[in-house]
Amino acid sequence: SAVISQKPSRDICQRGTSLTIQCQVDSQVTMMFWYRQQPGQSLTLIATANQGSEATYESGFVIDKFPISRPNLTFSTLTVSNMSPEDSSIYLCSVPAGATSDNEQFFGPGTRLTVL
Amino acid sequence: GIQVEQSPPDLILQEGANSTLRCNFSDSVNNLQWFHQNPWGQLINLFYIPSGTKQNGRLSATTVATERYSLLYISSSQTTDSGVYFCAVAMWDDKIIFGKGTRLHILP
Repeated sequence: SAVISQKPSRDICQRGTSLTIQCQVDSQVTMMFWYRQQPGQSLTLIATANQGSEATYESGFVIDKFPISRPNLTFSTLTVSNMSPEDSSIYLCSVPAGATSDNEQFFGPGTRLTVL
Repeated sequence: GIQVEQSPPDLILQEGANSTLRCNFSDSVNNLQWFHQNPWGQLINLFYIPSGTKQNGRLSATTVATERYSLLYISSSQTTDSGVYFCAVAMWDDKIIFGKGTRLHILP
């Protein structure tokens, strides 16, 4: 299984600011995924981070709000821009065990974000 | 898009009881996983089970892909089993879709 770390583990931010979340994997992976979990809710896919190409965003999520970088096969960042209290959530990255997600997915420990 | 429905949404049991959690999905999937989210928010992989039956200690799972459902069995519940159990399916386009979860409370 992949070992995934995220930084920061939690943060409290002011409205209007931005936060960049890092995701590091201990092995090279083709795809990385970013999820949001709002309080008391399930996980929702934000985007797929592809190395060497633009991220692919799901309906309801846009690059201006959630810019993603994928500089290499072991690392990705998600930025939450111009934050509002509605952005308070747990943000998680995940990777599949194989080349595609047609394999077991593993999740990082999450970043718990509170926006005041 | 595909619908993933979990039942029951909430379940309260006494320690030592058994339980069955269900996951129905509306279309063919490439794979299915069960996760346990503990009170600290960590997602723990329980089973990767696109079909068939698997067992791991007090937990077991069965997926009947042709009938589009999966079951998670928890026997002899312990308080540490409390948390939210998620079913998640992977589609042909590699996207993972989560159900809304079953919130399990085990009372001492």
